[in-house]
Amino acid sequence: GDSVTQMEGPVTLSEEACLTINCTYTATGYPSLFWYVQYPGEGLQLLLKATKADDKGSNKGFEATYRKETTSFHLEKGSVQVSDSAVYFCALSKYGNKLVFGAGTILRVKS
Amino acid sequence: DVKVTQSSRYLVKRTGEKVFLECVQDMDHENMFWYRQDPGLGLRLIYFSYDVKMKEKGDIPEGYSVSREKKERFSLILESASTNQTSMYLCASITQSPGQGVWYGYTFGSGTRLTVV
Repeated sequence: GDSVTQMEGPVTLSEEACLTINCTYTATGYPSLFWYVQYPGEGLQLLLKATKADDKGSNKGFEATYRKETTSFHLEKGSVQVSDSAVYFCALSKYGNKLVFGAGTILRVKS
Repeated sequence: DVKVTQSSRYLVKRTGEKVFLECVQDMDHENMFWYRQDPGLGLRLIYFSYDVKMKEKGDIPEGYSVSREKKERFSLILESASTNQTSMYLCASITQSPGQGVWYGYTFGSGTRLTVV
């Protein structure tokens, strides 16, 4: 079945450091890809999405590019802030069907 | 903004109790989902529904059932709660972007943290 694998955390960075969280997927067909973020004590919020190959999703300084050739959707940010500390989930979906999530990556940013 | 509201933020129940988790969305979304979230496992789909009175099993339906009598409300039921059902439960809803055939826009509730003792 379809699956998502993302790098294990926690990832600990200093403020203004560069961030990359790796995400790869296995799926038949042409899934849409998502990054969700969960801040402490809250539900999940959509961070960005891409619906076809070579699309780049971006939001709040975060970016991810849908790479079909490497089946990847890595999350990047050039300069992280303490407020970016959260759990980040990579996910895929096909035809509006269920979301399939990765295990989540905890990001801790120190000032 | 679309809102998905889960009735309880925290619940503590005893083993063997029947537990109801309620989820209500206010934007006439067709599709609703129940997930549970556990550390290191991400979110796993329990049940989902594409329409009123319709339900389909997700990846981990054992020990759970659901009810969707009205379009806006999707209830998760633990028939006899057990300690291994202690978890964070998240409800979500989605709708299709009109005229585009593209599905996106999953909206999640804030979650219910259930502890079974």
